[in-house]
Amino acid sequence: QVQLVQSGAEVRKPGASVKVSCKASGYTFINSYIYWVRQAPGQGPEWLGFINPSGGSTFYSQKFQGRVAMTSDTSTTTVYMELSSLKSEDTALYYCARGLKLAARTSFDFWGQGTLVTVSS
Amino acid sequence: EIVLTQSPATLSLSPGDRATLSCGASRSVSASFLAWYQQKPGLAPRLLIYDASSRATGIPDRFSGSGSGTDFTLTISRLEPEDFGVYYCQQYGSSPLTFGGGTKVEIK
Repeated sequence: QVQLVQSGAEVRKPGASVKVSCKASGYTFINSYIYWVRQAPGQGPEWLGFINPSGGSTFYSQKFQGRVAMTSDTSTTTVYMELSSLKSEDTALYYCARGLKLAARTSFDFWGQGTLVTVSS
Repeated sequence: EIVLTQSPATLSLSPGDRATLSCGASRSVSASFLAWYQQKPGLAPRLLIYDASSRATGIPDRFSGSGSGTDFTLTISRLEPEDFGVYYCQQYGSSPLTFGGGTKVEIK
């Protein structure tokens, strides 16, 4: 069965960086894009961008351009999302999700369990 | 950026009731690229509907989606106890992909 398993909770100080991993299994890794979405407490989700694990091409939301970097490792079927210059407003649950269709414009059919990132001095 | 506005914010209903959730877009969503998700406390969102009206795998047929352009609706024909939670719409027709603020369906 399709599974996306994310790394554990992180605490960072303002200005630091955080790197979250998402290990995929149960399907052909290179056949689906992986998206990253975050959700602040009590808020709706917010999209950060996506990566095509086949080749590693990425597309980021303009809001996070320059601060986010997504990479993939086909040997371990793992995708990474690094967010830098952290601010308190970046405190949120960060999810990876698989694209339903092999296309940039798609919904998300499987999600990781979420990684809580807390930014606090 | 397309802003999605969901209404009502909260829907208080009983099992067996019909639920109608609305999602309005600030401009037309291309190709009806709109999805609906259900989220329960402590869990990730679950895909219910994609492309405005297609049910995702394993989703019961009491869930249906409709609409196009700027107005979309999720209907739950007869609420089951497990249907209570927060529902989000999402558009993926243009970048950035955006989500609505959610409608909470609670037990009356």
